[in-house]
Amino acid sequence: DAEITQSPRHKITETGRQVTLACHQTWNHNNMFWYRQDLGHGLRLIHYSYGVQDTNKGEVSDGYSVSRSNTEDLPLTLESAASSQTSVYFCASSEYPQGKLFFGSGTQLSVL
Amino acid sequence: GIQVEQSPPDLILQEGANSTLRCNFSDSVNNLQWFHQNPWGQLINLFYIPSGTKQNGRLSATTVATERYSLLYISSSQTTDSGVYFCAVDNYGQNFVFGPGTRLSVLP
Repeated sequence: DAEITQSPRHKITETGRQVTLACHQTWNHNNMFWYRQDLGHGLRLIHYSYGVQDTNKGEVSDGYSVSRSNTEDLPLTLESAASSQTSVYFCASSEYPQGKLFFGSGTQLSVL
Repeated sequence: GIQVEQSPPDLILQEGANSTLRCNFSDSVNNLQWFHQNPWGQLINLFYIPSGTKQNGRLSATTVATERYSLLYISSSQTTDSGVYFCAVDNYGQNFVFGPGTRLSVLP
């Protein structure tokens, strides 16, 4: 069955370190998204991609970057981790143009 | 940008009861989806429903796009229905905007 997987499931890092969260989907979807979920703020869009070599900033993109070198993967990089980036991160994918959205299981990131 | 509201924010039910969750949005949309986040944090897509009515077992959803709202019905609720229910709307390519969610607790 097609799926979307995130790794790691849990990550603890220190302030100032670079961190990369992986997202891999086997749906062959063009659209991929990264969200963060925080109490009181719900799900907020960080970055998104509509295809290979396409990346776009979302609502809360400061301090994050993504790259899309193939259809299956959209890694999320925190350039210099900050405590404010402690959150649960979800990757999602959908068919183009705006099909059904499928989520990965999430990554719990703690920045100490 | 488009605003999404959900009501009620919290709901407590006894097992076997029925419930209706509401999602209001402030502008026309071409895509609306309902999700269930279970107590383990997984987000499951329940419905892709930009308009009309769909049913899936004990769950059904109706979207009235012209009046800018959608309803999620849960019948004969079970403890496994507990969690947070989100609606998300897409305003013609502006990407999905999520509502704040309705937290449902089903008691045995």
